[in-house]
Amino acid sequence: DQQVKQNSPSLSVQEGRISILNCDYTNSMFDYFLWYKKYPAEGPTFLISISSIKDKNEDGRFTVFLNKSAKHLSLHIVPSQPGDSAVYFCAASPYSGNTPLVFGKGTRLSVIA
Amino acid sequence: DSGVTQTPKHLITATGQRVTLRCSPRSGDLSVYWYQQSLDQGLQFLIQYYNGEERAKGNILERFSAQQFPDLHSELNLSSLELGDSALYFCASSVVGGYGYTFGSGTRLTVV
Repeated sequence: DQQVKQNSPSLSVQEGRISILNCDYTNSMFDYFLWYKKYPAEGPTFLISISSIKDKNEDGRFTVFLNKSAKHLSLHIVPSQPGDSAVYFCAASPYSGNTPLVFGKGTRLSVIA
Repeated sequence: DSGVTQTPKHLITATGQRVTLRCSPRSGDLSVYWYQQSLDQGLQFLIQYYNGEERAKGNILERFSAQQFPDLHSELNLSSLELGDSALYFCASSVVGGYGYTFGSGTRLTVV
């Protein structure tokens, strides 16, 4: 039973345009959500997070939106750059920190110059 | 360099063998997590240690075991290896009370 789902295995976007990566979750105990980015031969690196008390968090070109009623979050990258090409993992954590993150399967983003 | 060190980076071994993967967490982090990434799979949580004690267990096979030592480094032991155990194994560490964590660069295990 997958509690965090990323239904698009891959996404291709032109440089300069917006990339939108989606993530759905099923566990209502999740209250903190994170996005990680992974390049080949490297470990995932933290990108941006959002708490369930917010519906939006922005960091430069990256914005995460959370729709709690729909149990859905999305990551927007504007404008997309070739260096953004990577695998993006959505992750969720229940109400207490320092607990295992639950990850989706990832979406491979390709930004075409 | 994330501060989380995993060794070895690559490991090739035969079925039925036993291997040990090592992880040194970021300085000051008490929690260590082990994840497995197989082909077409996301990051599957295996086990968490906190300050030397097992804290949470995920989808870890009985053939697998782990421990965290007094200096906080951790080892993941995989025994009676099967072809299906071929995967990337990641270690991550976190601060007390933190939600996110820092990953190492992983160990790629190939079982032949």
